[in-house]
Amino acid sequence: DAGVTQTPRHEVAEKGQTIILKCEPVSGHNDLFWYRQTKIQGLELLSYFRSKSLMEDGGAFKDRFKAEMLNSSFSTLKIQPTEPKDSAVYLCASSLDWGEEQYFGPGTRLTVL
Amino acid sequence: GEQVEQRPPHLSVREGDSAVITCTYTDPNSYYFFWYKQEPGASLQLLMKVFSSTEINEGQGFTVLLNKKDKRLSLNLTAAHPGDSAAYFCAVSAGFASALTFGSGTKVIPCLP
Repeated sequence: DAGVTQTPRHEVAEKGQTIILKCEPVSGHNDLFWYRQTKIQGLELLSYFRSKSLMEDGGAFKDRFKAEMLNSSFSTLKIQPTEPKDSAVYLCASSLDWGEEQYFGPGTRLTVL
Repeated sequence: GEQVEQRPPHLSVREGDSAVITCTYTDPNSYYFFWYKQEPGASLQLLMKVFSSTEINEGQGFTVLLNKKDKRLSLNLTAAHPGDSAAYFCAVSAGFASALTFGSGTKVIPCLP
């Protein structure tokens, strides 16, 4: 079975650009999560979908970050406009249900110049 | 909301020695607990999931202890070896359909005895 896939693996953007990160969860999983990982802040939740419905979004990220899940097998994270402080690794994870293990994708390393 | 504090942030341990990483959490209704391992350049992988009703769980080369009274979760690496070189994260799930709250991580570095 394929695990969580994320594309692209690396992204370089100029300040002010719009970027879209993509995630395909494990087939059959109901929950999908987007996290941002930095050395200073650690893992921060950006969005949590349960059966395609948005359950939680990280309050601090609402203004420029928008995650969508148009179908159960694909999710996007849009950052608009990007800022240098957005440079981080963006992780997507999925789980079968609440309380089950989260499977993490390889991440997208974003660099904003 | 749930807050999780993880200590220490860095841990140097001699090969063959044991090491303990501890997380304390705030929500007494927390139910599921996880430890994840992240090797350099890789994504997070599950080490162990702990239910609220269990106290001690043994894995390959480690032990997990849950103390609900003190709201403390600990990971004990029983005999450190080079393969333990990684960052370790605890994660706690509070209420139903709530996302995980992650600790800030502990970077473990085994060193020669």
